[in-house]
Amino acid sequence: QQQVKQSPQSLIVQKGGISIINCAYENTAFDYFPWYQQFPGKGPALLIAIRPDVSEKKEGRFTISFNKSAKQFSLHIMDSQPGDSATYFCAARIIQGAQKLVFGQGTRLTINP
Amino acid sequence: KAGVTQTPRYLIKTRGQQVTLSCSPISGHRSVSWYQQTPGQGLQFLFEYFSETQRNKGNFPGRFSGRQFSNSRSEMNVSTLELGDSALYLCASSLARTTEAFFGQGTRLTVV
Repeated sequence: QQQVKQSPQSLIVQKGGISIINCAYENTAFDYFPWYQQFPGKGPALLIAIRPDVSEKKEGRFTISFNKSAKQFSLHIMDSQPGDSATYFCAARIIQGAQKLVFGQGTRLTINP
Repeated sequence: KAGVTQTPRYLIKTRGQQVTLSCSPISGHRSVSWYQQTPGQGLQFLFEYFSETQRNKGNFPGRFSGRQFSNSRSEMNVSTLELGDSALYLCASSLARTTEAFFGQGTRLTVV
């Protein structure tokens, strides 16, 4: 199954709070899990990524937690700011002759000031 | 360093026509992938090119095709446009076939 399930579809968080977005996958052939941030009218921008041999990766206010046995990973945004309001996509990569990203359906995040 | 450049940014076409979209990858990047983004289906992989060869293709009809030139620039073509082809078409470039993918701003295609 080459699906990535993402939840929630939309999320509202107060400024300064923690935003948490979850993703789950089935295919163990996925070897790399990036998160993308997309603002209206723009293309997705690579935010942070993790490989399955690592359980956690932190870059500034953004942290990916990865649970290989459960086939789940999540994005945590600490001290969420209004400028973080965007749509976030998790993805999983599979190499089939070439790299192919399979995306979750996206989470529309709104940070209230 | 310039990012991924896609042209045109916006396009309006009539059903039955064909369209060509262009993508210039980040300098030095040799792999170019194309994705279709729609509200209903999300982001879906179309195809990937490396060294002027299509390496992988997603589950799209043969009306969707592409090519890559020796300078790594890529074009995708959609023939016999249908209303359902209205979407944001995104190009992503990678240094190699297994490195991070960086997206352009996309071409918004509207079929009327």
